Amino acid sequence: EAGVAQSPRYKIIEKRQSVAFWCNPISGHATLYWYQQILGQGPKLLIQFQNNGVVDDSQLPKDRFSAERLKGVDSTLKIQPAKLEDSAVYLCASSLSPGRGEKLFFGSGTQLSVL
Amino acid sequence: GNSVTQMEGPVTLSEEAFLTINCTYTATGYPSLFWYVQYPGEGLQLLLKATKADDKGSNKGFEATYRKETTSFHLEKGSVQVSDSAVYFCALSGSNTGNQFYFGTGTSLTVIP
Repeated sequence: EAGVAQSPRYKIIEKRQSVAFWCNPISGHATLYWYQQILGQGPKLLIQFQNNGVVDDSQLPKDRFSAERLKGVDSTLKIQPAKLEDSAVYLCASSLSPGRGEKLFFGSGTQLSVL
Repeated sequence: GNSVTQMEGPVTLSEEAFLTINCTYTATGYPSLFWYVQYPGEGLQLLLKATKADDKGSNKGFEATYRKETTSFHLEKGSVQVSDSAVYFCALSGSNTGNQFYFGTGTSLTVIP
């Protein structure tokens, strides 16, 4: 079974530039998450999709971050313009459903460095 | 609110030593509890989970018991191996969190031969 695919693996940009990350979840997984993991910290949820609808985006900095999940499959996360403090690993995860006890499957992440 | 507190690392152990990584949580209701592991260069993967009080999750020689009275979910292994070197994350999720996952800050474990 293919896992959660993410690209690119690494990205280096200058502040005020824009960047986009892509995620393809496991086939059949209705729920997709984007997490931000700053060095030395645990993953922090940015946005959660159920199919192509947003369930929770309360921690997404909407002035600069946006995300979409067209057709309820692939998803893209965009940052525009980037700030130094956006340097982190961006993790995509998926699950069959958001049910109790349901486990998350994570991609390898995109490591973003903002200079 | 909901939160997870893990013991700070890094932790360095000799092969075959006993491992404990402490995890306590704050949550309303009855969350499910998880341990995720991140091996070098890889994504997070589920190690074990427990969905109700007194449940014991186990996998690959690791165990953790859901203790509601002490709000804890400590990870243990009787004899660690070099291949267990990784970062370990405690997490919770439940209906009272909107099924959102809350992660601890992670504990880095290095096992030396």
